[in-house]
Amino acid sequence: KNQVEQSPQSLIILEGKNCTLQCNYTVSPFSNLRWYKQDTGRGPVSLTIMTFSENTKSNGRYTATLDADTKQSSLHITASQLSDSASYICVAHGSSNTGKLIFGQGTTLQVKP
Amino acid sequence: DTAVSQTPKYLVTQMGNDKSIKCEQNLGHDTMYWYKQDSKKFLKIMFSYNNKELIINETVPNRFSPKSPDKAHLNLHINSLELGDSAVYFCASSRGWGAENIQYFGAGTRLSVL
Repeated sequence: KNQVEQSPQSLIILEGKNCTLQCNYTVSPFSNLRWYKQDTGRGPVSLTIMTFSENTKSNGRYTATLDADTKQSSLHITASQLSDSASYICVAHGSSNTGKLIFGQGTTLQVKP
Repeated sequence: DTAVSQTPKYLVTQMGNDKSIKCEQNLGHDTMYWYKQDSKKFLKIMFSYNNKELIINETVPNRFSPKSPDKAHLNLHINSLELGDSAVYFCASSRGWGAENIQYFGAGTRLSVL
């Protein structure tokens, strides 16, 4: 069964600290893996997209890693800001022929001053 | 300026009613989607249209009927609403329907069925 699992479910950190969110996927065939940020009351916004041949990709203070052998990905947030408070969703693209995405449940991050 | 816009943002209605949610994108994209986000926050694909043609139709009750009058619009009509239909519905669009395409989401429509 194609699915994406994320951990932790929720996380609270202090402003300025770093954190790492985890994602395991069992999606086959696998095309690419994405991380989205979803602010409360808004739609998801794409942060990174990586194909199976890419190990890491950065977008500002966000760095995603991918290990296609172990089917794991992580999202590292450096020097967190209050505006980083959101839900972070790991998404696997399970086919190269359609736009069908498999979403994880998300990790809710709260950054406190 | 909003790239993908949905209306209404909130929808409260009684069981058994029929309602529609509208979606428009001004990005010039060919592909549009409807997603449902349940109470556990999982997003699941419902439908996808490419150039006004249906390409993804997941296991969704036939009370849900999408309509794409043109490439820029994908509306969702729901008949005989049930309590279990309460969720947040997201519209999205992408340049094409291949794996490499990034999807851009609207702000969502929160549907509450009483």
